[in-house]
Amino acid sequence: DQQVKQNSPSLSVQEGRISILNCDYTNSMFDYFLWYKKYPAEGPTFLISISSIKDKNEDGRFTVFLNKSAKHLSLHIVPSQPGDSAVYFCAASDGGGADGLTFGKGTHLIIQP
Amino acid sequence: NAGVTQTPKFQVLKTGQSMTLQCAQDMNHNSMYWYRQDPGMGLRLIYYSASEGTTDKGEVPNGYNVSRLNKREFSLRLESAAPSQTSVYFCASSEFTASYEQYFGPGTRLTVT
Repeated sequence: DQQVKQNSPSLSVQEGRISILNCDYTNSMFDYFLWYKKYPAEGPTFLISISSIKDKNEDGRFTVFLNKSAKHLSLHIVPSQPGDSAVYFCAASDGGGADGLTFGKGTHLIIQP
Repeated sequence: NAGVTQTPKFQVLKTGQSMTLQCAQDMNHNSMYWYRQDPGMGLRLIYYSASEGTTDKGEVPNGYNVSRLNKREFSLRLESAAPSQTSVYFCASSEFTASYEQYFGPGTRLTVT
């Protein structure tokens, strides 16, 4: 049973507009959430994270929102740029720290010129 | 400072052959991980090593063994490769911090025929 779900396999957004990527989780023990970005033939790179004690975290053009009651988080990218075209993975940790992350299947974001 | 390095980048094996995937990190991290990524799937944890001298199973450990050779190196061994082990393998490392961030290597693309 998938504990971290990204229900949109792909998303197409015009350059300059807002990209919103969604992620749902089922395990109430998750207390830390991360977003990773992946280009083809490369390893994932860390983008932004949020602790369960917060509901928002911002870093430049990237903002992550967490709704604990709905077990839902989203990544907002404003404004979207061509270099943002990549696969985005949502990941979660259950507080084990060193125990590894649980990943969603990813959303392929395509930024249209 | 190379971060996380993996060798080889590509490998083709016949069913039943064995091989070892190598991973090294130069960030002095305590924890290291092995994940696999299959088409349309997120990354799934195979094994992890929370600290030098310890290893633990992840979500999909069957058919694999690991060795934490020292603090820098964490290898993944396939004793008798099967076509179901065709995948892209990623090694990652982390230090236990508030961000839970993991740093990934570039991956090894393995095909088992």
